[in-house]
Amino acid sequence: KNEVEQSPQNLTAQEGEFITINCSYSVGISALHWLQQHPGGGIVSLFMLSSGKKKHGRLIATINIQEKHSSLHITASHPRDSAVYICAVKYNNDMRFGAGTRLTVKP
Amino acid sequence: ETGVTQSPTHLIKTRGQQVTLRCSSQSGHNTVSWYQQALGQGPQFIFQYYREEENGRGNFPPRFSGLQFPNYSSELNVNALELDDSALYLCASSLGGWNQETQYFGPGTRLLVL
Repeated sequence: KNEVEQSPQNLTAQEGEFITINCSYSVGISALHWLQQHPGGGIVSLFMLSSGKKKHGRLIATINIQEKHSSLHITASHPRDSAVYICAVKYNNDMRFGAGTRLTVKP
Repeated sequence: ETGVTQSPTHLIKTRGQQVTLRCSSQSGHNTVSWYQQALGQGPQFIFQYYREEENGRGNFPPRFSGLQFPNYSSELNVNALELDDSALYLCASSLGGWNQETQYFGPGTRLLVL
């Protein structure tokens, strides 16, 4: 079992819909990151969380340390949000990644 | 301010050969991490270098080794290549590692082992 589980694996939405991607982890962590990977491989760092909630434009990330769970929300989704979203946790001197959620937003 | 660059962009090798991949950090960043991403999977952490010293290592065999230079650029060396080493290799730089806000990723090197 992977220490970092994401759901769903694949998600298709219509433009304008509210999107939620979930990440659960089973180890004690010092930080959790949400990453966005576009076709071709380029990765962009979206958020780093150690507690609470962060917002950047239409993106909101939350984390519940007690429940070992984080969510990434996208409001008013747009086709340009189509990408793979990856959750990563810092665990001691190691990094563990989820397998990613492939999001497709249709116009 | 230049971003993170990696070279080469693509590479084809045969089993048993050795390969060196290179990463130039974002200006001023002292920490570089390397990742392997197989097709359709999330990245896997190989190792991290902080100020020229290895600062953490994932579950990779010793034939995966690295270096960080005084200018904080970095190399990933893989000896005795195996077919399963075919993957996208990504590096990311930051000022101090994964407890910092933003990791800056390079575009990756796509390695194919035949």
